[in-house]
Amino acid sequence: DAKTTQPNSMESNEEEPVHLPCNHSTISGTDYIHWYRQLPSQGPEYVIHGLTSNVNNRMASLAIAEDRKSSTLILHRATLRDAAVYYCIGNDTASKLTFGTGTRLQVTL
Amino acid sequence: DSGVTQTPKHLITATGQRVTLRCSPRSGDLSVYWYQQSLDQGLQFLIQYYNGEERAKGNILERFSAQQFPDLHSELNLSSLELGDSALYFCASSLGDRNTEAFFGQGTRLTVV
Repeated sequence: DAKTTQPNSMESNEEEPVHLPCNHSTISGTDYIHWYRQLPSQGPEYVIHGLTSNVNNRMASLAIAEDRKSSTLILHRATLRDAAVYYCIGNDTASKLTFGTGTRLQVTL
Repeated sequence: DSGVTQTPKHLITATGQRVTLRCSPRSGDLSVYWYQQSLDQGLQFLIQYYNGEERAKGNILERFSAQQFPDLHSELNLSSLELGDSALYFCASSLGDRNTEAFFGQGTRLTVV
């Protein structure tokens, strides 16, 4: 699976959009870009995944660069419940996911 | 609630002992994955089973073993426990063996004393 690079931490105000970046310059053509998050004291939670085109679901949007070397997870209106560690993973399936150190998102009032 | 159930939630045991962690996947899911999360190593993939058969292996120690039963629940057996095995152990499941979404349980916190 692809090596990914994410900022260690980010801060956001509640009710504002949050853009979480991820670089994955070594991603292969068959690797999806997966995003999971882990809230305190909980297991990882699937957020979204995509291959080439932008994706939207009820939790977030995923914007993928045309060259697929980077992507951005967009939370449209951050809430306190979105405070978590967000992991970006490049892999072809949900098996053998490599969770790096992720981005710790802090949301403040 | 992801639909994945792990028991027990907490386990405290002594070095040298053996424990079994149990996982019930979401209804209908055929794949089960085991992950270990420790403070120094982060989340690491251990092993995957699909419909009763081992499908993929990660950095799983020889002292650890797993199996998936006909009813699709899975067990992770940890033996000759060491202090360094203290960690959170997560089970996840997905519908097939090539899916892109995995659903994680709440984990079992193992403390070896």
